[in-house]
Amino acid sequence: GAVVSQHPSRVICKSGTSVKIECRSLDFQATTMFWYRQFPKKSLMLMATSNEGSKATYEQGVEKDKFLINHASLTLSTLTVTSAHPEDSSFYICSARHSGTGGRQETQYFGPGTRLLVL
Amino acid sequence: SQQGEEDPQALSIQEGENATMNCSYKTSINNLQWYRQNSGRGLVHLILIRSNEREKHSGRLRVTLDTSKKSSSLLITASRAADTASYFCATDKDSWGKLQFGAGTQVVVTP
Repeated sequence: GAVVSQHPSRVICKSGTSVKIECRSLDFQATTMFWYRQFPKKSLMLMATSNEGSKATYEQGVEKDKFLINHASLTLSTLTVTSAHPEDSSFYICSARHSGTGGRQETQYFGPGTRLLVL
Repeated sequence: SQQGEEDPQALSIQEGENATMNCSYKTSINNLQWYRQNSGRGLVHLILIRSNEREKHSGRLRVTLDTSKKSSSLLITASRAADTASYFCATDKDSWGKLQFGAGTQVVVTP
C-alpha cells in the first residue's frame, strides 16, 4: 500500500516557540493532503485541507494564522504550529489522497502521527 | 460534530470470537471507509465501500452498508489479540475527499 511519513514523530517544545511538522507521501503523488488533530481517546478532527500550489482551506474554528500549512510539492505538506501553547499539545496526523484515478484516489493514506507536547 | 457515530464505544472479547461494530451517519455519502488505529499510532486503511455496494470482504473483515438506514457494520471474524485497536468509520464530506470520522470503537481481544 501507499506510504505516508511524518516527521518528527514526537516533539517537546517550550511555550511560545514554533514547531514544524512534515508530511510526505513516499511512493505516490498527492495533490491533496489533510491535517487532523486527535485528543487522547478521541476521534480525529479535520483541521485543514492542504492543496499543492494553492492556499490551504481551514475548517471552522481552526485559526489559519496559528496553524500554517504549506504544500510546496506533490509529496510534501508542512504544518507549522506558531507560538505554541500548552493547549496545542495533541496528536497531529496527516493523510494524503492519491492523485491517480479510480479507486486509489478515493482512499486516504495516513501518516503515523506526531505527538506534540508544549511545556 | 462527527457525522459517523460508532457503537459500541468499547468491546471486549476473547480470541476466536467475532467482533461487530456499527456506524451510523446522517447525510448522503459517496463512500464509507473503515480504519484501524493502534494506540498512539496512525490510521491503517481497512476497507472502502461505495454507496452503491452493499457488502465487501477482506480477509477476516466483512463490511456492510445500508444506505437506506445510513448505517454500516464492520465484522471481524475469529479475532486475534493483534486485532486489539480502535476502529473508526469515516464518511467523505465532499468531492475533495474530506473525511468525517466517528467516535470510534475500542476493541480489546484477550488471549
